[in-house]
Parts: sequence; C-alpha cells; structure tokens
Amino acid sequence: GAGVSQSPRYKVAKRGQDVALRCDPISGHVSLFWYQQALGQGPEFLTYFQNEAQLDKSGLPSDRFFAERPEGSVSTLKIQRTQQEDSAVYLCASSLAYGGRLHFGNGTRLTVT
Amino acid sequence: EDKVVQSPLSLVVHEGDTVTLNCSYEVTNFRSLLWYKQEKKAPTFLFMLTSSGIEKKSGRLSSILDKKELFSILNITATQTGDSAIYLCATFSTNAGKSTFGDGTTLTVKP
Repeated sequence: GAGVSQSPRYKVAKRGQDVALRCDPISGHVSLFWYQQALGQGPEFLTYFQNEAQLDKSGLPSDRFFAERPEGSVSTLKIQRTQQEDSAVYLCASSLAYGGRLHFGNGTRLTVT
Repeated sequence: EDKVVQSPLSLVVHEGDTVTLNCSYEVTNFRSLLWYKQEKKAPTFLFMLTSSGIEKKSGRLSSILDKKELFSILNITATQTGDSAIYLCATFSTNAGKSTFGDGTTLTVKP
C-alpha cells in the first residue's frame, strides 16, 4: 500500500479482555515503531523492531503488553487483560532506516470500559 | 533518561503573525531531531535535523538545530488557519531503539 495501515481504527474492549492491534508498514521499511498517545500528550515510545528483531521494548508499560513482527513486515501489538489506563491511541510508524523520517499510520483508538 | 521539552504548550495567534516554537532536549548519544505536524490523525513529517546551524526551509516553515545548547526552533511566517495543529518534536539516539517525543505545542491560528 501507499502508506502505513493500522487496524482496527477503533476498538472498545471490556476491562479484562485481550486485544490485538495490527500494523502494516510501508513495503521495504526496515524499522517499525509502536507508540502510545494519551489525550493532550506526545507519543510515548513502546517498542522498536528492525526487520523481525525486537531491538528495544523498554517502553512497554507492563508484561501485559507484547509485540511481534515475525516476518519483518506486519506487526501486531497485543494487550492482555486490558485495564482502563490502557485507553489511548496506539500509533505505528515505519521508516527506511533507524533515526530517519517516520511514516505514521492513522492509529487505533482503544477505549477500555 | 532521555527528555524532550517543548514550549509553549499552546499558542493562539492571528493570521499573518509569525510564530517560533521551541524544543529542548537531553538525549544520550544524540543522532537526529525531527519535527512533525499532527492534525486530527497521524503526525506528518516536516523536518529532520542532524547538524548544528544549518537551516532547513520549506515554504513558510523553517527550522534550525543548536547541538551545543541542545535545542531546536521551528518558525512559521505569515501563519494561516491551516497551520493550526499540534507540532511535535522528536529525537533519536545512536543506540538503535528508543525515540523520544515532546508533548507538543498546540498552535491555533485565528482568522
């Protein structure tokens, strides 16, 4: 596709449910990032992949959060046993190389009730 | 811990005004600083800066980096209502991985 695609656009989950958020980066982009953005704040780093290798997961807030990119392309961010504080917009971004221009998807807005 | 601080947090101006947005950073092993514009959805890229003192320019927008004083500014001249957005500053370190964003400056341009 022409840009980074994220799905679903909106997700409502009941507290305690598991959710899976998908990111389809621009073809050929080596680097892939996940960010969490709360209302009125800048994106907070969650994790970074270079191809299929997860090089940094220091931003994942708890062990309920898990990300994978098994074939170095599509990535999935999974949140287990969702809590209300997980409600946020989850942004995925890809780039040709680390440290360069990021191309963002439109995000998934997660609401935990 | 890496830190990016943007100021002001919000700004209201009238069309035609010139604005300067600030970004200061504390980053271990600095590699690059980028500016993005965020309207309703995804942030869109404006500039990438890696060297001090070299101005990047695109139309009415320009930006410069000072690696000695650890800050960058984004200037917008002759503002238009379409410039209303959140402007985000982000840094990368040379340690492949973590990138850090500031909380953004919300710019409102009134007609």
